[in-house]
Amino acid sequence: GQQLNQSPQSMFIQEGEDVSMNCTSSSIFNTWLWYKQDPGEGPVLLIALYKAGELTSNGRLTAQFGITRKDSFLNISASIPSDVGIYFCAGYHYNQGGKLIFGQGTELSVKP
Amino acid sequence: KAGVTQTPRYLIKTRGQQVTLSCSPISGHRSVSWYQQTPGQGLQFLFEYFSETQRNKGNFPGRFSGRQFSNSRSEMNVSTLELGDSALYLCASSFYWAGERNEQFFGPGTRLTVL
Repeated sequence: GQQLNQSPQSMFIQEGEDVSMNCTSSSIFNTWLWYKQDPGEGPVLLIALYKAGELTSNGRLTAQFGITRKDSFLNISASIPSDVGIYFCAGYHYNQGGKLIFGQGTELSVKP
Repeated sequence: KAGVTQTPRYLIKTRGQQVTLSCSPISGHRSVSWYQQTPGQGLQFLFEYFSETQRNKGNFPGRFSGRQFSNSRSEMNVSTLELGDSALYLCASSFYWAGERNEQFFGPGTRLTVL
């Protein structure tokens, strides 16, 4: 089935640094979603993208829908300790019905 | 507006037993999807319900089933539990089924441990 390649798998950074992660797919998507998951909790929706080229911000987070519709990236500026968690990208195409395809996640660790 | 709720939060069962998990979507949301999350496989789609009808199904054996009620609440059932069924089961609700704006909002999950 379809898969999303999310990279990097893990990141260990210093507080205050900027972070960048991305997702690529062999298929095009109509929607890209970015989630963050804390241990023992469900994923929380951070940013939703609907158009190729769209750039959307949510506080220190910025995400973009790639022009080819096959990729997306998420940037976190000036990281803080509470940014720790696992970040997932998810893609959706009309032909999938209600089925989101998830990346494998990027585990972010922030050293104070 | 209250978020997605799932009950129970934690469950311990033994092999061969069956289990039923419950999910209440965000008020007004009619679509409920279920996912299994394990460290090795990540988030795997189980099935999706909209207006009491299963609209989409993932690649899981028939031991995994679900249903949705007229108030949009959903249950999933796993029969004849196996050790490999130990996982975090997540429910997500959305306003739309299919279509462009398929933003799914997740509940906290039910942690199932099979001994």
